[in-house]
Amino acid sequence: NAGVTQTPKFQVLKTGQSMTLQCAQDMNHNSMYWYRQDPGMGLRLIYYSASEGTTDKGEVPNGYNVSRLNKREFSLRLESAAPSQTSVYFCASSATGAAGELFFGEGSRLTVL
Amino acid sequence: AQSVTQPDIHITVSEGASLELRCNYSYGATPYLFWYVQSPGQGLQLLLKYFSGDTLVQGIKGFEAEFKRSQSSFNLRKPSVHWSDAAEYFCAVGAPMNRDDKIIFGKGTRLHILP
Repeated sequence: NAGVTQTPKFQVLKTGQSMTLQCAQDMNHNSMYWYRQDPGMGLRLIYYSASEGTTDKGEVPNGYNVSRLNKREFSLRLESAAPSQTSVYFCASSATGAAGELFFGEGSRLTVL
Repeated sequence: AQSVTQPDIHITVSEGASLELRCNYSYGATPYLFWYVQSPGQGLQLLLKYFSGDTLVQGIKGFEAEFKRSQSSFNLRKPSVHWSDAAEYFCAVGAPMNRDDKIIFGKGTRLHILP
């Protein structure tokens, strides 16, 4: 079982470049999430999606956009990357939203120069 | 909106000693409460969760946590730590009354184990 798969695992960008982080889950979960992890800051919620076709802002949505393409896939886009977006990004999914266990991907390490 | 605070950034204990990691939340009702662990270079794994009922919950790896409504706390405990418990621990909260799926994490507590 693949669980939650994120791509790419590593990426280096220059300031102003754009990129999309892809996330797919094969557990038929309704809810999906994007978090960023920075030293001393824990995991901060960027965006989440309760179901296909719906997305909501989390704690730190500025500079990001998301797409819930279908039930399996939830992508995160950086339109114009900034050094402050250097981070490790985690995608997660849950069968029962805020009441459920989060299943995490392995993370994507993004560096913006 | 819900929030969660982990007051201790780092905790150091000796192997075999007992452990308590603190978590305080802010929410107008009983939230969904979780503890996750992230071992070095690893992903995040759920240790335990609390929704309602018995306020002492048992989790994996010998961990337990106690929900105290009067103190808005959900502290994680282990009677005797092992060197393999060295990791970062995150408390998280979901809000059942908000009718949304938001799950917020604390900033984490890094646990160091002395041999």
